This record gives sequence, C-alpha cells and structure tokens, in this order.
Amino acid sequence: DTGVSQNPRHKITKRGQNVTFRCDPISEHNRLYWYRQTLGQGPEFLTYFQNEAQLEKSRLLSDRFSAERPKGSFSTLEIQRTEQGDSAMYLCASSLGGRTEAFFGQGTRLTVV
Amino acid sequence: SQELEQSPQSLIVQEGKNLTINCTSSKTLYGLYWYKQKYGEGLIFLMMLQKGGEEKSHEKITAKLDEKKQQSSLHITASQPSHAGIYLCGAVNTNAGKSTFGDGTTLTVKP
Repeated sequence: DTGVSQNPRHKITKRGQNVTFRCDPISEHNRLYWYRQTLGQGPEFLTYFQNEAQLEKSRLLSDRFSAERPKGSFSTLEIQRTEQGDSAMYLCASSLGGRTEAFFGQGTRLTVV
Repeated sequence: SQELEQSPQSLIVQEGKNLTINCTSSKTLYGLYWYKQKYGEGLIFLMMLQKGGEEKSHEKITAKLDEKKQQSSLHITASQPSHAGIYLCGAVNTNAGKSTFGDGTTLTVKP
C-alpha cells in the first residue's frame, strides 16, 4: 500500500457545475477524514467516517456538499453548484482509530472559475 | 472550539542555524501532531505527542509537549534546505480523533 491516494490532483470547473473527488485510504484504516485548506491557513475539518458511517459533519459542510464511504473503503466528496468560494485544496486523511496519527493524501486542488 | 496559534508565522534562517516553532492551544491539549507540508501538496506526518512533558525526535527535529502551558514547541537543529516548508501543528479532539490545525509556520532555509 502506497498511502492515501486522492483523485484528481487538480480540477478546474465553471461556477455552477458539480464536482466529485475520490479518496482511497490506507487499506486497514477504519477512519477517513476530509479537510479543506485555503492559502495561508491550516486544514479545516469537514467530515469524518468510521468505516461506512459518517459520524460528524462540520458546519462548513453546507447542503451543497455531500460525502460518502459506501463500503467503508474509498470515499467520495461531491460539491454541487460550485461557487468561487469553494476554490481550495481538499485533503483526505485516514487513521487506524481515533487518537492515532492520520496520514494525508496529496490533496485535490479545486479552482472554480 | 479549540484554536491553535503558531508562532512565528514565517521564519527565514541561514543553513546550519537552529530554530524553534511554537504552537499554543486555547484549550487543554490531549494530543498534539506536527506535520510538514510542501506548497500545494499534502501533509507529511512528523510526530505525535500524547503526554505532558513528552519529547520526541526524528532526525534533527525535536518536539516537546507542555500540557500545563497548553503549548508545544518544535526545534530543528542545524537546519538544511530540505527542512524548508510549512510546519503545522494539529490538536487531537478528545472524542472523535479529528484535528484542529494551526495556520502553519513557513520556514525558508537559505543555503
């Protein structure tokens, strides 16, 4: 296993379009996290899963955002009707349990034009 | 909600010099991560501190956790250009395992 994998690495989309990102965690990790990071700031928590259950969602995650982890393995993050303010780096991380180190993917950089 | 403040925001040092980055929490720290990030890339895990007074080292990087002060420091000895990047501290949430991050310290090492 080569670590957490995110696809695509870059996405440019027009305002109003829908986009979907994929995250493949480290295979034995039961926890998967999504974060958003804008320039000059640290990652902000969006949501996390334990296996297939989505246990917490940040208030940052508006109703245009939805995340799934259908079989407890890979996860998708969809943004509907994208806005320019959605432009950011979307980071995925996985961990084995709650208080262990989380390993991050390379991120998906979204640009909404 | 918990907030983490990192200082300094940016740092420029000459190769070979030592440096320290601080991370201060607004609430009790139950665990503290240090990550390194290259611009436009993901976070690379450096180390995790879980107990007050704990100190860990990885190559020339040492981090300490002072629970009473709700603070952690990361020290780099004899800095090299390969140390350049953004250093982020993250606090572990007591229940969920999600992390709150500081805004990072950008380190530049001049050869």
